[in-house]
Amino acid sequence: AQSVTQPDIHITVSEGASLELRCNYSYGATPYLFWYVQSPGQGLQLLLKYFSGDTLVQGIKGFEAEFKRSQSSFNLRKPSVHWSDAAEYFCAVVHFSGSARQLTFGSGTQLTVLP
Amino acid sequence: GAVVSQHPSWVICKSGTSVKIECRSLDFQATTMFWYRQFPKQSLMLMATSNEGSKATYEQGVEKDKFLINHASLTLSTLTVTSAHPEDSSFYICSARTSGIYPTYEQYFGPGTRLTVT
Repeated sequence: AQSVTQPDIHITVSEGASLELRCNYSYGATPYLFWYVQSPGQGLQLLLKYFSGDTLVQGIKGFEAEFKRSQSSFNLRKPSVHWSDAAEYFCAVVHFSGSARQLTFGSGTQLTVLP
Repeated sequence: GAVVSQHPSWVICKSGTSVKIECRSLDFQATTMFWYRQFPKQSLMLMATSNEGSKATYEQGVEKDKFLINHASLTLSTLTVTSAHPEDSSFYICSARTSGIYPTYEQYFGPGTRLTVT
């Protein structure tokens, strides 16, 4: 079955430091991968997505992610974190259930940014 | 573009009553809508998938008689929590996806509805 694992439940970084959030997937075919961000009490905002092509994907708010098939990973990175980046981050993969396409989410990583 | 709204953003109701949550796609036609439930500090769990004009498909363990979903138009889906109990208190999030000749795999999420049952 398709699954997404986010090994880090909580990460704390200082403002201005670099950030990497890990995501590993289990999927037989080429995965369609997403990173979403959720601020407290809010819905999800799409940061970036990977369908095919260039394995380094640029997203909004200065985020990027790299698809590595050999490692089954799609880690999210940002060179310099801002205090406003504090939020919950979810990695997700599209999978097919019958004729339907559904998103499966990882358990999320809570990011805390220290001043 | 691709904005999804939910109403209400939060609601408090008494145990035994029913609550309706609306999900609207504001600037696109949503052939498929999804309803998720999220407990505090947890991930999103898919409750059901609905296609416009069809009955919703519920995930295993979700009571279809308790969580009534209607997707009557291409811009509106509703989730009705019937005979709500305190354990139904949660954050409910809808999302919508359009479709075409080359369907997109992107889903656009609403801001969520906080339901508290007292």
